[in-house]
Amino acid sequence: DIQMTQSPSSLSASVGDRVTVTCRASQSISRYLSWYQQIPGKPPKLLIYETSTLQSGVPPRFVGSGSGTDFTLTISSLQPEDFATYYCQHTYITPLTFGGGTKVELK
Amino acid sequence: QITLKESGPTLVKPSQTLTLTCTFSGFSLTTDGMGVGWIRQPPGKALEWLALLYWDDDERYTPFLKSRLTITKETSKNQVVLTMTNLDPVDTATYYCAHAQATSGYGYFDYWGQGALVTVSS
Repeated sequence: DIQMTQSPSSLSASVGDRVTVTCRASQSISRYLSWYQQIPGKPPKLLIYETSTLQSGVPPRFVGSGSGTDFTLTISSLQPEDFATYYCQHTYITPLTFGGGTKVELK
Repeated sequence: QITLKESGPTLVKPSQTLTLTCTFSGFSLTTDGMGVGWIRQPPGKALEWLALLYWDDDERYTPFLKSRLTITKETSKNQVVLTMTNLDPVDTATYYCAHAQATSGYGYFDYWGQGALVTVSS
């Protein structure tokens, strides 16, 4: 099975900050990587798929990059509604796996 | 507009079988590249993929739980059913069904149900 490791597990930031979350796969997954945002009490929301394609309606401040085993999600200017937990997921093969999550908190 | 909704029991006793139903609209499960998956999330923990049923009737399961899971569909009702046997308190979680896009790769989840909290306790 492919393991997905996210770092950091949590971070504190302020509105307007640039935030980067990292996701590492235990083997190459090409560009088959998605990112989700989850607000407490809500289902996850797809932000990005295939490493860098923005889901419809997602603001362009969310940027995904990477390939192979190393991927990043960058929020260029953190907004109040962005305080949430972010998960990566590979779609390279089954079993599909999610990362452990990165909680973005208000500093 | 794609929507999904989970239904099933909120409380299950240990060793019992859980049956969850996902009722969906806005897409056909026979369309190439479509799928419906189940993902769970124990309280305060990360997401865990459980199973996925593809448009071509291919069924995939997480190996960790494969012996306990079955995913089926009722096409006429636009439903996908997940059955999990021999429940344990560690199976307490919110269970989500989600629409999977599998046109490239094995499926990312672009639409989610609201989730169903299932508690396993005697």
